[in-house]
Amino acid sequence: ETGVTQTPRHLVMGMTNKKSLKCEQHLGHNAMYWYKQSAKKPLELMFVYSLEERVENNSVPSRFSPECPNSSHLFLHLHTLQPEDSALYLCASSRQGPDEKLFFGSGTQLSVL
Amino acid sequence: KQEVTQIPAALSVPEGENLVLNCSFTDSAIYNLQWFRQDPGKGLTSLLLIQSSQREQTSGRLNASLDKSSGRSTLYIAASQPGDSATYLCAVKPPSGTYKYIFGTGTRLKVLA
Repeated sequence: ETGVTQTPRHLVMGMTNKKSLKCEQHLGHNAMYWYKQSAKKPLELMFVYSLEERVENNSVPSRFSPECPNSSHLFLHLHTLQPEDSALYLCASSRQGPDEKLFFGSGTQLSVL
Repeated sequence: KQEVTQIPAALSVPEGENLVLNCSFTDSAIYNLQWFRQDPGKGLTSLLLIQSSQREQTSGRLNASLDKSSGRSTLYIAASQPGDSATYLCAVKPPSGTYKYIFGTGTRLKVLA
């Protein structure tokens, strides 16, 4: 149990579907992150929320839409995805301060057909 | 622009061997550096975090060192076990003001029984 829970674990969707990824952290952290992990590439930061405010958005296509309703929950809404969006999507959280360890969820393995 | 490199990409060792994993970064101005472990299809688990003012951190059989001037960090694993088989990633956080960790592509370690 990492304290960061992601659902679903696996998702297969067509290019015209709309789906959402959910992340919940039980650690009392004040920052939450979405990362994309593709084969043989470094983790790519997609979005960061601090105190429920988006603070970083790294040129992510608009077909990915994040939502952070409170400090414990983070969503990634998916719409009209492309096959190249197939990847492992990881949620993480941290507490701002000297010991800023990132805690990750187990990820959602997404396949876009 | 900060870049993080991990060489080798893959490593196989017999059980019981002591081993060193390497992480290089191009910009010595960092806030901290973290080492993570990732099992196949899973999220990342934080192993050790070294602040920029520190030289090393230890946890059990793991020891991580940091040499900012040369842009290097090493993760030393003592008396390796088959359960240590995983991908090990390092990530560098630039100086305060950003939430963005820069990740390496990892070293895939296999410890043979």
